[in-house]
Amino acid sequence: DGGITQSPKYLFRKEGQNVTLSCEQNLNHDAMYWYRQDPGQGLRLIYYSQIVNDFQKGDIAEGYSVSREKKESFPLTVTSAQKNPTAFYLCASGSGPYNSPLHFGNGTRLTVT
Amino acid sequence: KQEVTQIPAALSVPEGENLVLNCSFTDSAIYNLQWFRQDPGKGLTSLLLIQSSQREQTSGRLNASLDKSSGRSTLYIAASQPGDSATYLCARSRNTGKLIFGQGTTLQVKP
Repeated sequence: DGGITQSPKYLFRKEGQNVTLSCEQNLNHDAMYWYRQDPGQGLRLIYYSQIVNDFQKGDIAEGYSVSREKKESFPLTVTSAQKNPTAFYLCASGSGPYNSPLHFGNGTRLTVT
Repeated sequence: KQEVTQIPAALSVPEGENLVLNCSFTDSAIYNLQWFRQDPGKGLTSLLLIQSSQREQTSGRLNASLDKSSGRSTLYIAASQPGDSATYLCARSRNTGKLIFGQGTTLQVKP
């Protein structure tokens, strides 16, 4: 079955620690995206990548970093510089930049205390 | 500035009703408009994608329309069922490929 896998589903960290969220897809999609979802605020774009070894900042990239060394993988690191990291993080992929529907993973809920 | 707005934020209807969810956007220079469904604690599932050259798309009991001149899209759900209960989000894309999401409409269909 093709799809996007995000792991873990729940993640707990202490303030000041970096944490990496995993996103893997076997859909052979070129484009991958990271979104953050907060209650009442909809989804906001953190980073996106249209092709391997290339990525661009989204609207709220501060305090986050990504890499795209393989087509299938787009891990997101939440650094200690992110002021309010507790949120629901969603990874998505698409076969083209404009007119293809996005496929989403089931998300990782990160809680930082 | 809210670029994509969805009204109402929440909606409760009895089973069997036909209903319309609204999405409005401020920039008519869109590449496509997508509707998604999200169940609690889950990711998003793509329902319909309307390209900028199209006016509507249909899938089963769902029909989505797009009016770029007025900056509006609607999602019509026919003969609603309790299984339709979820949050519905619309998102528009620009030529950069980035999607801008609305805040969603949470639908409850009561049996």
